[in-house]
Amino acid sequence: AQKITQTQPGMFVQEKEAVTLDCTYDTSDPSYGLFWYKQPSSGEMIFLIYQGSYDQQNATEGRYSLNFQKARKSANLVISASQLGDSAMYFCAMREYNNNDMRFGAGTRLTVKP
Amino acid sequence: GAGVSQSPRYKVTKRGQDVALRCDPISGHVSLYWYRQALGQGPEFLTYFNYEAQQDKSGLPNDRFSAERPEGSISTLTIQRTEQRDSAMYRCASSLAQGGFRNSPLHFGNGTRLTVT
Repeated sequence: AQKITQTQPGMFVQEKEAVTLDCTYDTSDPSYGLFWYKQPSSGEMIFLIYQGSYDQQNATEGRYSLNFQKARKSANLVISASQLGDSAMYFCAMREYNNNDMRFGAGTRLTVKP
Repeated sequence: GAGVSQSPRYKVTKRGQDVALRCDPISGHVSLYWYRQALGQGPEFLTYFNYEAQQDKSGLPNDRFSAERPEGSISTLTIQRTEQRDSAMYRCASSLAQGGFRNSPLHFGNGTRLTVT
């Protein structure tokens, strides 16, 4: 069974600085996808970025990048130039090719300080 | 519609009553997922469908919970004989493709907040 671990319940970052949110996963399926979602206080779930297990390069989407270390089974989210609007819960999730359900980690609450 | 639609938005029910939560996915999306989310926690997987077929129901807490998607579009999550511990946000999500991940992240609805009194 797949498992997603986010070890940081809460993180603080100064506005305009970069922050890394940790995510480790466990799977025996060689083919899988990793996703990050943002959940602001409004409650909606916003898809941020995707990384495939066979992707050679780390994914990037604007200020978001994914530090993918396959051998260590980690997929950390890096947010550059933090903004006050980045304050939210962030969830890491994984989907396996042979088991299409998608499982989420417990989340990290990010607070951006002005 | 443009997004995943869930109804009702809020549901208050008395312990012992049955409730039915509805999800209308994005048109054309093959896969449909149900999650339960407690405050401050990550979404907890309940079940998912590809078209009308229920692929995995291992996350359903007990046999009071069931889900269906009879025509491969709208889905209903039913909770029978509700208990106070069932109180939570219930979220539905849909995805375009069942195999390829890159172009098929989950798109979430705004959820149904269930309160069992």
